[in-house]
Amino acid sequence: DIQMTQSPSTLSASIGDRVTITCRASQNISTWLAWYQQKAGKAPKFLIYKASSLESAVPSRFSGSGSGTEFTLTITSLQPDDFATYYCQQYSTYSRTFGQGTKLEI
Amino acid sequence: EVQLLESGGGLVQPGGSLRLSCAPSGFDFNSYAMSWVRQAPGKGLEWVSTISASGYSTYYADSLKGRLTISRDKSKSTLYLQINSLRVEDTAVYFCAKHRSAVYDAFDVWGQGTMVTVSS
Repeated sequence: DIQMTQSPSTLSASIGDRVTITCRASQNISTWLAWYQQKAGKAPKFLIYKASSLESAVPSRFSGSGSGTEFTLTITSLQPDDFATYYCQQYSTYSRTFGQGTKLEI
Repeated sequence: EVQLLESGGGLVQPGGSLRLSCAPSGFDFNSYAMSWVRQAPGKGLEWVSTISASGYSTYYADSLKGRLTISRDKSKSTLYLQINSLRVEDTAVYFCAKHRSAVYDAFDVWGQGTMVTVSS
């Protein structure tokens, strides 16, 4: 299975900050990568697909980049609603795997 | 509005079986691949199983293979996950998720989840 490793595991930031979360794949996954946001007790919310394509209705302060084995999720000008846990997921193989998550806290 | 509603979770003894259901609304269920993802208490997301739009192709996580059956009923527009020989470590919230389109795609809609607790 392809392993996905996110860093950092926890990220402390303030309202208005710009933050970046990194996701590394154990082998080349081209751009078959998605990002999700999850708040405590809720279902994940879809943010980005194909590494950099923003899902409709997702605010433009979210952006994704990368290809191959290294990817980033960037959030500019953090808003109170953005404090949550973020997961990357590869879907280059049927056995899709998630990163362990990055908790973004105030 | 596109929605998914899971049901069928509950408390079950080790070795027991459970069938989870997922009822979609707001989209053509028969045109999209679907998956199940689980999340143990306080842990991350774990992909469990995927079924193609046609239902002909199914995929399972290696760690669970042999104990799972994913299926879909076109007439009832319902997705199912049968889990047998349940173990304590299967305790988790089970989410169903709609693919953007085909099997090899991201999950754009998630249900609220159904809790499965395996305990004696």
